[in-house]
Amino acid sequence: GAVVSQHPSWVICKSGTSVKIECRSLDFQATTMFWYRQFPKQSLMLMATSNEGSKATYEQGVEKDKFLINHASLTLSTLTVTSAHPEDSSFYICSARAGGNNEQFFGPGTRLTVL
Amino acid sequence: DAKTTQPTSMDCAEGRAANLPCNHSTISGNEYVYWYRQIHSQGPQYIIHGLKNNETNEMASLIITEDRKSSTLILPHATLRDTAVYYCIVSVRFGNEKLTFGTGTRLTIIP
Repeated sequence: GAVVSQHPSWVICKSGTSVKIECRSLDFQATTMFWYRQFPKQSLMLMATSNEGSKATYEQGVEKDKFLINHASLTLSTLTVTSAHPEDSSFYICSARAGGNNEQFFGPGTRLTVL
Repeated sequence: DAKTTQPTSMDCAEGRAANLPCNHSTISGNEYVYWYRQIHSQGPQYIIHGLKNNETNEMASLIITEDRKSSTLILPHATLRDTAVYYCIVSVRFGNEKLTFGTGTRLTIIP
């Protein structure tokens, strides 16, 4: 149990375009989902926390208008990178948490390359 | 704020036990110790967690000192597939506290 999927697993796009990444909890209901970003040889950095049915909470320094997060259901959250630029190229990872338990289950990640 | 400190890297021979230390001297009474690992280009994988007692599951054992200021993750018979970055994280178990990833320990299993 506790499987989290992401789609796509990798994407290449042109500078200025928008990219949507989906995160799904396959066998449990996720009241909270998290989005992380990881640059090469660095650790995971939390971008935002998303609660179902409410607005996401962004970490300091993360532009909410650039990284749009939607958590419309208990099994799906989406991250849209708007007007992507080469510096947005990174490994984006989501995680999901069920209920009040703080254990998080991570997706396999999405590698974004912006040309 | 770094809640945990870990060695940057470690090597271990295949088939031997890998012992990964973690210091968490400022851990609070209600915070658990969690261990995750990340194999290259994959999402983190949960390994084990504990509060104060030693814990064991099919993947690893977790030894927490009596004062809870440090812990050791033990992979009893390391294989090449255990090569990964291992993260030690302290967090409350129930609530909305975020998981903060440090730099972790890069464990390399040597054939």
